[in-house]
Amino acid sequence: DTEVTQTPKHLVMGMTNKKSLKCEQHMGHRAMYWYKQKAKKPPELMFVYSYEKLSINESVPSRFSPECPNSSLLNLHLHALQPEDSALYLCASSQDYEPQHFGDGTRLSIL
Amino acid sequence: AQTVTQSQPEMSVQEAETVTLSCTYDTSESNYYLFWYKQPPSRQMILVIRQEAYKQQNATENRFSVNFQKAAKSFSLKISDSQLGDTAMYFCAFMKPNTGANSKLTFGKGITLSVRP
Repeated sequence: DTEVTQTPKHLVMGMTNKKSLKCEQHMGHRAMYWYKQKAKKPPELMFVYSYEKLSINESVPSRFSPECPNSSLLNLHLHALQPEDSALYLCASSQDYEPQHFGDGTRLSIL
Repeated sequence: AQTVTQSQPEMSVQEAETVTLSCTYDTSESNYYLFWYKQPPSRQMILVIRQEAYKQQNATENRFSVNFQKAAKSFSLKISDSQLGDTAMYFCAFMKPNTGANSKLTFGKGITLSVRP
C-alpha cells in the first residue's frame, strides 16, 4: 500500500473540461509536490508546497492550478488543457531531509 | 546547479545474476543526499536506497547496494541475485538539503532494466 494516495488513477478529459487531481498523505509531511512525467522520462517538477504555502512554481502554464487546503491534501485543478499535457501526474511528500514518498500517479489523457 | 547523468538507456540481465547501474553527478555542494528510485510498469516511484554524502560507508538494502565514490562523483547501484520483479526503470537522484520542509530532487534520465527468465 502506498502512503501517498492519488485519485483518480486514470482521467480522460476534453480540452474544454475542468477537472481536479487529488493527493492525500497522512505521514505528517509538511512538503508536498506535483510532478509531470512523460513515458520513459524522469519526473519534471511542477509545484512545491511547504507548510501549505506555494514555495516553488516551475513556470507551469496557468491552465494548471495547485491548491493545498491543509497539510494532508494537495489538489491540482485542470482547465483548458492541451493534448501535450497528456502524461502521468505524480504527487509526492517529504519532511526535512527525508526522501520523497510518491503516490501511484494519475494517468491523464487529453482528447 | 546540480546535474545527474545516467548514460546507459537500457540494460538486460539474466535472472539470479548481478547487474550494476551507473550514475554520475556534478555538484559544488559538500552536503547532499543521493537516491536510487525504481519505477516498475505499475508506475509508482519506489525508493530503493539512499546515501548521505557525509557517510563514507556504502549503503546496502538487502540485495541492493551502492558504490559511492564521492571524489569521483559516482553513485552506482548493484543488484545481486536479480529477480523478475526487478524489471523497471531506475532513476538516480540528487538532493541538496534545504532549510524548511522541502528539498528538490534532480533526476537522471533513467535506465530501463529488464530481467530475463
